Amino acid sequence: RKEVEQDPGPFNVPEGATVAFNCTYSNSASQSFFWYRQDCRKEPKLLMSVYSSGNEDGRFTAQLNRASQYISLLIRDSKLSDSATYLCVVNKNTGNQFYFGTGTSLTVIP
Amino acid sequence: NAGVTQTPKFQVLKTGQSMTLQCAQDMNHNSMYWYRQDPGMGLRLIYYSASEGTTDKGEVPNGYNVSRLNKREFSLRLESAAPSQTSVYFCASRGGNSYEQYFGPGTRLTVT
Repeated sequence: RKEVEQDPGPFNVPEGATVAFNCTYSNSASQSFFWYRQDCRKEPKLLMSVYSSGNEDGRFTAQLNRASQYISLLIRDSKLSDSATYLCVVNKNTGNQFYFGTGTSLTVIP
Repeated sequence: NAGVTQTPKFQVLKTGQSMTLQCAQDMNHNSMYWYRQDPGMGLRLIYYSASEGTTDKGEVPNGYNVSRLNKREFSLRLESAAPSQTSVYFCASRGGNSYEQYFGPGTRLTVT
């Protein structure tokens, strides 16, 4: 079983739409959670960390549900520039072992 | 401040050839990582180095060796390349108490 699983999509949404991605992780010992963004043929970049209480950064909201072992990312008022692949990342308590999901592809359509 | 740099950007090897991928960071980070990214597989950790002088295996270390030459540089070596090692290789670094990883631009490797 994979450590981190994501729906690969693709998600094609119109500008201004709200879209949500989910990610599940298999190891209950996982400690830290993140969403990274990867543009086509580029390196991943941190979008936001995910905290137990949930957190928001502008149009982006991340939630963690430890009981069900899933993480979500909500994007409101989608922009064309949000088109990218969103990677769910989980870190176990060893500190240096990061597990990446395969990514969810988002295309925002004019 | 260049962040994380990788060389080369592209490489084509024949089966059995060897090569070293270079990575350097100028952020004074202690931890450095090598990942490979394949379609449908996500990024997988090959090796990491928690500090200068230490290296540890990640999820997929077979067929690779690494060297943490100093705090700045972390190289990945393929001794005898195989077609299964065709992939995009990313180096990353992380510093202090932050869990944020900074990635280099990647090396696209094809083994024929």
